[in-house]
Amino acid sequence: DAGVTQSPTHLIKTRGQQVTLRCSPISGHKSVSWYQQVLGQGPQFIFQYYEKEERGRGNFPDRFSARQFPNYSSELNVNALLLGDSALYLCASSLEPGPYTFGSGTRLTVV
Amino acid sequence: GIQVEQSPPDLILQEGANSTLRCNFSDSVNNLQWFHQNPWGQLINLFYIPSGTKQNGRLSATTVATERYSLLYISSSQTTDSGVYFCAVENSNSGYALNFGKGTSLLVTP
Repeated sequence: DAGVTQSPTHLIKTRGQQVTLRCSPISGHKSVSWYQQVLGQGPQFIFQYYEKEERGRGNFPDRFSARQFPNYSSELNVNALLLGDSALYLCASSLEPGPYTFGSGTRLTVV
Repeated sequence: GIQVEQSPPDLILQEGANSTLRCNFSDSVNNLQWFHQNPWGQLINLFYIPSGTKQNGRLSATTVATERYSLLYISSSQTTDSGVYFCAVENSNSGYALNFGKGTSLLVTP
C-alpha cells in the first residue's frame, strides 16, 4: 500500500512568488494535516482538513491557504513568498483516531 | 497552548548501548506520538501511545498520562537509530494540532 506522497520534493522560488504543494494521503485516510519545519526545530502545525473541511489552523498568516479534494488529496498554497518561508513542508494523513503517517516532505527554498 | 519538553537534547551512544528519552507535557492529552526523523528528513511514526506501554522490537514506550510524561526506550542501539526523536501531543484545547517538542538528537557511533 502506498504511503503519503508529496510533490514536488524540492522547489526553489523567488521572493513574492506563489507556490502550491501537493499531498496524497494513504488510501482510506480522511484526515490530512500540513506542518512546516525549519532547520533545527520541530514541525509546526499549519492546517488540518477532514472530510474536505478545514478543522484546524495554526498560527500562520493568511498568505497560507489549503484545500482538500473529494479524493482526500490536499494542496497547500503560499502567496507572496518571504525568505522566512524557506522550510521543509510536511503532510501527514491519519485515521481518526490513530497514528500520523508523514510524507517525505517538500523542501522549499525562497531566494 | 500545551508545552512539550524533551530530554536530553543531545545524546551520543556507542553501538549496543541502551537509552531512555523523556517527554514531559503540561496538560492532559488525548494523543501522544513518538517519531524518528532520519538525516534525510523523513518522519517515521514509532508509537501512538496516549497511555500505557507498547513494544516494537528494540523500541518500547510508556506513557503515564496522570503524571504527564512519556518515555521512549531504545535497547541495543544501532547506527541506523541515529537521528532526531520527537514527541508530539494533542489535546482538546490544541485545535487538532500536534504540538512537537524540540526533539532529542541521537548519534550512535560504531
